[in-house]
Amino acid sequence: NAGVMQNPRHLVRRRGQEARLRCSPMKGHSHVYWYRQLPEEGLKFMVYLQKENIIDESGMPKERFSAEFPKEGPSILRIQQVVRGDSAAYFCASSPGSGGSYEQYFGPGTRLTVT
Amino acid sequence: TQLLEQSPQFLSIQEGENLTVYCNSSSVFSSLQWYRQEPGEGPVLLVTVVTGGEVKKLKRLTFQFGDARKDSSLHITAAQPGDTGLYLCAGAQTNAGKSTFGDGTTLTVKP
Repeated sequence: NAGVMQNPRHLVRRRGQEARLRCSPMKGHSHVYWYRQLPEEGLKFMVYLQKENIIDESGMPKERFSAEFPKEGPSILRIQQVVRGDSAAYFCASSPGSGGSYEQYFGPGTRLTVT
Repeated sequence: TQLLEQSPQFLSIQEGENLTVYCNSSSVFSSLQWYRQEPGEGPVLLVTVVTGGEVKKLKRLTFQFGDARKDSSLHITAAQPGDTGLYLCAGAQTNAGKSTFGDGTTLTVKP
């Protein structure tokens, strides 16, 4: 299966702990996007990355949240000192980027629960 | 900020009925995608429309891109319970590098 992979699928953290969410894009895709979704709501854009570069982080909270997409390995969304309001589903998507194609292919998501 | 407005927000119908959901914007998009998301899963790409006035059919689903490339519609014929889900539209603009998503239409088809 060459689809977008996310892990873990479910993550439980206590308030104040750190959450690390991982995303491996589809083979051949160099663009990665992170979204957050609350129950009964749509997708909220967080950040857009290419290899080793953050292209657009306009949707990222100013504090506690960071993202990276290193030259080797998966993209990581890190949430420090989690609070209950961080509980949500976090989706990663990837796209080829080249040729003006912006079709995004989504992973199954990581459901974060903060207790 | 380019916004995509989807309507209706919620739609509940009986099996066998037809329905149309809409995706509207004041911005022009180079392409527009429709996705369906089922509970507990990630969105799945259904179709991409590129040309103004374009119509694409996927079995019982018909997608149309407006002539001015600012809006789109999704029509489902003879809806089935398996069509239940959140339908999202996303518009991309050349050189923007990312797509703008609407808030979605939640469709429930009752057997």
